[in-house]
Amino acid sequence: QSVLTQPPSVSGAPGQRVTISCTGSRSNIGAGYDVHWYQQLPGTAPKLLIYSNNNRPSGVPDRFSGSKSGTSASLAITGLQAEDEADYYCQSLDKSLSGYVFGTGTKVTVL
Amino acid sequence: QVQLVESGGGLAKPGGSLRLSCAASGFPFSDYFMTWVRQVPGRGLEWISYISSSVTSVYYANSVKGRFTISRDNGNNFLYLQMNGLRADDTAVYYCARVRGRHLDNWGQGTLVTVSS
Repeated sequence: QSVLTQPPSVSGAPGQRVTISCTGSRSNIGAGYDVHWYQQLPGTAPKLLIYSNNNRPSGVPDRFSGSKSGTSASLAITGLQAEDEADYYCQSLDKSLSGYVFGTGTKVTVL
Repeated sequence: QVQLVESGGGLAKPGGSLRLSCAASGFPFSDYFMTWVRQVPGRGLEWISYISSSVTSVYYANSVKGRFTISRDNGNNFLYLQMNGLRADDTAVYYCARVRGRHLDNWGQGTLVTVSS
C-alpha cells in the first residue's frame, strides 16, 4: 500500500553513521514535493524528525540530517546512539492519490 | 504546549460503526489542517484522511472512501472520524495529527480500534 520504498532495516555500531533511503516516483518525490521524516520509538506515537527535506524541528539533534534528489530522499544519522533505535518513516505528497504517502518504514538497530 | 488526545476506540463488529474523537489544545485549532493516520500493530503508517481548517476541503484514502467521514468542531477544538462499514482490515491504532505545511508536526498518542466478530 505504501508508495515510498525504504529498506526494512539498517544497523550500525554506536558512533557510526547510517543512512536510510526513501524511493518514490514522478507522482510524489519526483513531482517536487518535499520529503519529511518521522521517528517512532517502541510503543509510542511517531514524532517529526526532519521536515521539508533537510530541516530539523527544535530539539532534534543535529546528528540527524536529510537530503533529497530526483525521485529519492535520504535520512542520515551520524554518531549513532542507543536511543536512536526506532522505526523511521519518510512521507511526502502524491498528486495521483491526492493525499499524503508514507514510506514502508525502516527499523534502525544499534549493535 | 500542543496536545492532541484521541478517544473512542474499542471493539466493533464487522459492518459496525465507531466514532473517534481528537481533543486539541495549546494552539489555535481553527487555523490548522488536521489529519488521521492509522497503523496496524507491527506494520507501517497509512494516511487515511485530512480536513482543511475551514472544512472547505476534505480528502480520503481510497481504502476508506465512502465509509469514513472526517469532521471538526472549531468552536470546541475537536476533530472527529466517523467510521462506518468497518472491516477486519480497519483494525489499527488511529492517530490524529496536526498539519503544518505539508508535514505532520504534532501527533496524538493514538487509540486502538479492533474489528472482530
